[in-house]
Amino acid sequence: GQQVMQIPQYQHVQEGEDFTTYCNSSTTLSNIQWYKQRPGGHPVFLIQLVKSGEVKKQKRLTFQFGEAKKNSSLHITATQTTDVGTYFCAGRGAGSYQLTFGKGTKLSVIP
Amino acid sequence: DSGVTQTPKHLITATGQRVTLRCSPRSGDLSVYWYQQSLDQGLQFLIQYYNGEERAKGNILERFSAQQFPDLHSELNLSSLELGDSALYFCASSESGANVLTFGAGSRLTVL
Repeated sequence: GQQVMQIPQYQHVQEGEDFTTYCNSSTTLSNIQWYKQRPGGHPVFLIQLVKSGEVKKQKRLTFQFGEAKKNSSLHITATQTTDVGTYFCAGRGAGSYQLTFGKGTKLSVIP
Repeated sequence: DSGVTQTPKHLITATGQRVTLRCSPRSGDLSVYWYQQSLDQGLQFLIQYYNGEERAKGNILERFSAQQFPDLHSELNLSSLELGDSALYFCASSESGANVLTFGAGSRLTVL
């Protein structure tokens, strides 16, 4: 079945440093979504990428979808303590309804 | 409040028992998803329903079953519980089967 791998599993950064998490799928995706889960909370949708090579920005967050639609990344510039949480990518294979999540990257920000 | 309601929030039970988790989707959403999240683990897809019918199935154990009712609420039944079933169970809903997900707050199950 479809597998979505995400690295790193954990990342500790000093406040103000940048952060990147990477997501790779075993199959071509029709779209990829990113979610954020704060400690003790539930996943909250951040963004969806659909087109090959697509890049989207949300303030300090930059999301990319690979040309082959099999990989994606989330980059946060100048992290803040409010960025703390686990970031998940989730992908749907072509013609599939199942949304498969990666294991997530847990971000800690040291003030 | 995301609009997706899950009950109960917490549940403690013993091995071998059976529990039912309930989910009411966001108003207007036809699709319901169930995910299991164990400690420091990702979100394991269990099952998806769309307008009362099963649409996709993940690695759901045979001891687990689910259904979506005509009023669109869904129930996840977990039976013959084992210690390893202790986890956070999330329900999510979407407008159709291929939209973004809105998650509920989760039901935390502890099996002793």
